[in-house]
Amino acid sequence: GQNIDQPTEMTATEGAIVQINCTYQTSGFNGLFWYQQHAGEAPTFLSYNVLDGLEEKGRFSSFLSRSKGYSYLLLKELQMKDSASYLCAATDSNYQLIWGAGTKLIIKP
Amino acid sequence: IAGITQAPTSQILAAGRRMTLRCTQDMRHNAMYWYRQDLGLGLRLIHYSNTAGTTGKGEVPDGYSVSRANTDDFPLTLASAVPSQTSVYFCASSEGGGVGNEQFFGPGTRLTVL
Repeated sequence: GQNIDQPTEMTATEGAIVQINCTYQTSGFNGLFWYQQHAGEAPTFLSYNVLDGLEEKGRFSSFLSRSKGYSYLLLKELQMKDSASYLCAATDSNYQLIWGAGTKLIIKP
Repeated sequence: IAGITQAPTSQILAAGRRMTLRCTQDMRHNAMYWYRQDLGLGLRLIHYSNTAGTTGKGEVPDGYSVSRANTDDFPLTLASAVPSQTSVYFCASSEGGGVGNEQFFGPGTRLTVL
């Protein structure tokens, strides 16, 4: 079956670094997305990885290992506005997104 | 209009009633999607359309129907609503249905079926 696993909730301190992990099992694989979703709002795109390695975009970076079925999202210099849910989604062989349940990130001052 | 709009924002519906959720995009995207989001679960795909005139079933299509008469609009219909269809519904679009196409989401419709 197809499955995406990510932690339900994480807590971090303002100014610190946090890593949110995601493991996936899909029928075929055509890349992995990370989205951010603030409470009561729509998901918004953060990153896309299709090749192994690290993609850096400002304070956010995303890593992919296809052989391990593993990705992580790294957030640096955390700000209070980063408090949100972070959704991992893998693209299957039909190019449909299979979504994880999301990781709720709580930032404390 | 900028991006994707959905209507209504929220709705309370009696079980057994018919309801259509509206979705319109102005980005000329080929592909459109309907998801439902329930607490503790990931977004689940209901139906999708890779281009105007075509539709396909997602992971949870039962009880829902869609149409794609033109590029911009992708309405979702609940023929006879049931309480298990209480959820937040998101419409999304992307340039195409292929590899690496970022999906843009509408603001969502919060539906309660009593």
